[in-house]
Amino acid sequence: AQKITQTQPGMFVQEKEAVTLDCTYDTSDPSYGLFWYKQPSSGEMIFLIYQGSYDQQNATEGRYSLNFQKARKSANLVISASQLGDSAMYFCAMREGNTNAGKSTFGDGTTLTVKP
Amino acid sequence: EAGVAQSPRYKIIEKRQSVAFWCNPISGHATLYWYQQILGQGPKLLIQFQNNGVVDDSQLPKDRFSAERLKGVDSTLKIQPAKLEDSAVYLCASSLAPGVNSPLHFGNGTRLTVT
Repeated sequence: AQKITQTQPGMFVQEKEAVTLDCTYDTSDPSYGLFWYKQPSSGEMIFLIYQGSYDQQNATEGRYSLNFQKARKSANLVISASQLGDSAMYFCAMREGNTNAGKSTFGDGTTLTVKP
Repeated sequence: EAGVAQSPRYKIIEKRQSVAFWCNPISGHATLYWYQQILGQGPKLLIQFQNNGVVDDSQLPKDRFSAERLKGVDSTLKIQPAKLEDSAVYLCASSLAPGVNSPLHFGNGTRLTVT
């Protein structure tokens, strides 16, 4: 079974608007971390935001926030006030603590295009 | 701090040839990973090292791929012989620890084309 599912291959958003990128995950490990990475066309993978399975509050980092719904096993990324530079591929990833020795599993990504 | 260094940036080889990629992680990062990213897909873990020991190599095609991390610092990934389906970007990443709260820091990757 897919551990990380990103159902939106591509998304479009108007500059200055907010956008939500979906991510669902599957694990039976009670201890895990959820991450979002950005990959521009240049190819580098950039860490954006982290959410721990035991965290009570949703993580925020500047214009990025993570909408964590544990019961639904979802960890959606919200980007507020989109900028042209946000156009990139976005990957959701999970690290499991008690199993898999902290291995990071990635989804297949969502390509975000910001329109001027 | 200096980031993860990878070389070469690009490599074109013919099938059945061999190729090697090099990675130097961020100083002090004990955990090192090699990922394969095929165009349009997410990265797939090939091998994970903790210091100089292998933690996970379950998805490494061991008949043709090999990797080592001598002295627990830099690492080399080799493919011999290469196949057409090995065309991909090979990403090296490191993290301070294997814990669930430790993000991965990636290098710029090596884009391999096998013809």
